[in-house]
Order: sequence, then structure tokens, then C-alpha cells
Amino acid sequence: DGGITQSPKYLFRKEGQNVTLSCEQNLNHDAMYWYRQDPGQGLRLIYYSQIVNDFQKGDIAEGYSVSREKKESFPLTVTSAQKNPTAFYLCASSSSVNYGYTFGSGTRLTVV
Amino acid sequence: KQEVTQIPAALSVPEGENLVLNCSFTDSAIYNLQWFRQDPGKGLTSLLLIQSSQREQTSGRLNASLDKSSGRSTLYIAASQPGDSATYLCAVPPNFGNEKLTFGTGTRLTIIP
Repeated sequence: DGGITQSPKYLFRKEGQNVTLSCEQNLNHDAMYWYRQDPGQGLRLIYYSQIVNDFQKGDIAEGYSVSREKKESFPLTVTSAQKNPTAFYLCASSSSVNYGYTFGSGTRLTVV
Repeated sequence: KQEVTQIPAALSVPEGENLVLNCSFTDSAIYNLQWFRQDPGKGLTSLLLIQSSQREQTSGRLNASLDKSSGRSTLYIAASQPGDSATYLCAVPPNFGNEKLTFGTGTRLTIIP
């Protein structure tokens, strides 16, 4: 079955540490996105990529970095510069605006 | 700038009732509108995608309608079940490019057994 796989499901980060969240899709979608969701709040766009080797900042990119070396993969690194990283992170993809968006099951990141 | 609003913010209904969730958007020049559900601690599951040229889209007990001219969409759930309890989100894509979806504020639905 085609879909988006996010791993790990739960991730714990110590202060000052960088961590990387994985997002893989086998839908052959060109565009991929990272969203952050805080409790009781809406989704905020962190980064997006419309094509391999290209990506753009979203609304809250500070403290995050991404890469898009393969069409299937769009990992998100939460750096130590992100002062409040505890949140639920969602990855999404789309082939074009006409066909809708598909979301992964999310990664819950907690700072310990 | 597109703004998407959902009313009500929360809704509780007894099992078996039919219900309607509302979604309003300010810019009617949309490609489509997508309805999602989100269970606590989970990702978003796509329910229905309704294109701008369509008036309705159906999947099982769910029916979504779209009225672009009035900037409104409704999600109708027939014969509600406890398993329908979740947060429901509507979302519209950008008018050009492939940037972020604009999400509605969400409706938290609770079906009372």
C-alpha cells in the first residue's frame, strides 16, 4: 500500500542535541511538507519541497533544517537552536494541488 | 490571504444522529477543498477531496458539499457512531504554486454512546 512513513513515533531530545525525524513516501509525489502541531493548536508549516534538491522555508523554519536528496525522502532536523521543540511533527506529500495531500502518522518529540 | 473557519469548535451528539460540520473560506478562487479527521495523538486521515467543479462528494456515510460562490463547505455524517469521535479539519490549497494548505480551525466531535 502506498503511503507516508514517519519514524520514530516518539523521540526524546536532550538539551543542546540535534535530532532528525524521518519521512519516507512511496506515492511518487513531487512535493513534501513538514508541519508542527502544538497541543490545542493548528498546524504550522516548517519547510516544504516541490522538487528534489530544492526546498523553501515555511512560517516557522528557524531552528530547523531539511534536505531533499531523493524524491522519496524529506528528513527534518531539529537543531539545538530550536528553543521549544516539544511538539507533534507531521509530514505530508502531494503530487499536485489537484489531487490532495497525504499525511503521515506523526512523530512526537519531547525535550527531556 | 485565505482564511478558513470551522463552526462549531466542538460538538457532542448522541449516537445514531445525523450531523453537519461547517467550513467557511474567504477566497472563493480555490482548486479544491479537502476534509480530514485527526484522532488524538495521530496523523491526519483524508476523508474527502472535493474539486472546485464539483458540488458534492460522497464516501460511505460521509457527504461533502461545496458552494464556492458563498465560500462554504459542509461535511454531513449520517448515522453517527462512537468511532466517528475525532477532530475534523477542512483545508484548501494555495491558488498557485504548491505551498502550504490553509487549514480550518477544526471541529472536535464527540459521539455519545
